[in-house]
Order: sequence, then structure tokens, then C-alpha cells
Amino acid sequence: LAKTTQPISMDSYEGQEVNITCSHNNIATNDYITWYQQFPSQGPRFIIQGYKTKVTNEVASLFIPADRKSSTLSLPRVSLSDTAVYYCLVQSGPVSGGYNKLIFGAGTRLAVHP
Amino acid sequence: SQTIHQWPATLVQPVGSPLSLECTVEGTSNPNLYWYRQAAGRGLQLLFYSVGIGQISSEVPQNLSASRPQDRQFILSSKKLLLSDSGFYLCAAGGSPEETQYFGPGTRLLVL
Repeated sequence: LAKTTQPISMDSYEGQEVNITCSHNNIATNDYITWYQQFPSQGPRFIIQGYKTKVTNEVASLFIPADRKSSTLSLPRVSLSDTAVYYCLVQSGPVSGGYNKLIFGAGTRLAVHP
Repeated sequence: SQTIHQWPATLVQPVGSPLSLECTVEGTSNPNLYWYRQAAGRGLQLLFYSVGIGQISSEVPQNLSASRPQDRQFILSSKKLLLSDSGFYLCAAGGSPEETQYFGPGTRLLVL
């Protein structure tokens, strides 16, 4: 499984756009890129997943360049409640009868200030 | 959408005591189920996964065991807890089609 590298921490202010970049140089052809958000003492919450180009949902956007060796999670106009740890993961595509092993790194601690 | 329940939410146990943490899943059938442990300030470590009833695979050697007596029930157990078993335990279920894993609220275990 491809290893991911992301900043340990980031700071932002309310109302700003936050971009968290993750590098995954050894991503395989069948791998997807998935981002999770985790608040203290809670389970990680799925944010977004993509394979290439751009994916957008009601929470965030995910930008993936053509070589797929990196990805950027974009959070539009953050609020104080977006303060959390954000994990970037690379996971294999659907495996019939198998399982998906997720490898979590330390993540990026985002602190949003008033 | 699927919902994952875990209990208890917190647990304080003495060293050498047994452990049983339960996870149940609603809203999906025949999910892949996972147990993770998270140390303070760290990422999650996969402990066990199950692709079906009675089918358990262990990722790391340890003092814990897992069982899946029903399709949507996953249990984490220990006969004798160690201090090193303290941590935040998370159950996850994989859904289709992209096998996104959804996590439960977790159980914080403190072994004294």
C-alpha cells in the first residue's frame, strides 16, 4: 500500500479556505485516495474519496493531478468546528470477497482560530 | 446509510481482568468488519478484520482476540488485560461499492 505524507499541523482562521496537500508517490493504478476527519474521542468520519481529477461534495473538494502522486483536500470557508485531525489514505479499489486495509498516518492537525 | 454502535463508551479495568467490547452494525448486510486501536496522538492501527461470520484475521500479534458470532456483530475480547492494551478502540464497517469504511464512536479503554 502506498505511504502518504502530509503536514503535521496547519493553522487557519474562520472564513478562510484551507488546502491540505498529501503526497503518495507510490500510488498504484487501482488505488483510491480517501480523506477522513477525526475529532477528539470520536471515530474518523469519511469526508471524500477520489481517483483522479476533481471530486466535490457538500463538505469538501478533492483535487488530484494527472500523475496522482499527490492530492489536495480543500475545505471552503472553514469554521471553528472544522478544527480536527485530517487523514489522507490510499486504499485499494473494491476487492470481491476480500477486505481493504487502511493505513492511517498521524494526519494533519488543523486548528481554526476566530 | 449504515450506523455503527459500540459499547461501552469508556471502560476502566484492572490489569489481568477480562475484556469484551461489542460492535454492531445497522443498515447493511454482510459487511467487512474491522477493529482498530488508536494510541494518543497517533493514527489508527488495524487489529482484526472479518469478511464473514466466524471468519477472523489478525493483523498483529497481541493479547486480544476477535469474534463474529452474527453477520453484523463484532466482538473484541481479552482473557487478561495488560497495561499496554489501553487505548481508543474503533470498530469499522466496509460498505459497497467502493469499500469506504465507516467508523463507530469508539471505546476508550484504560487499564490500571
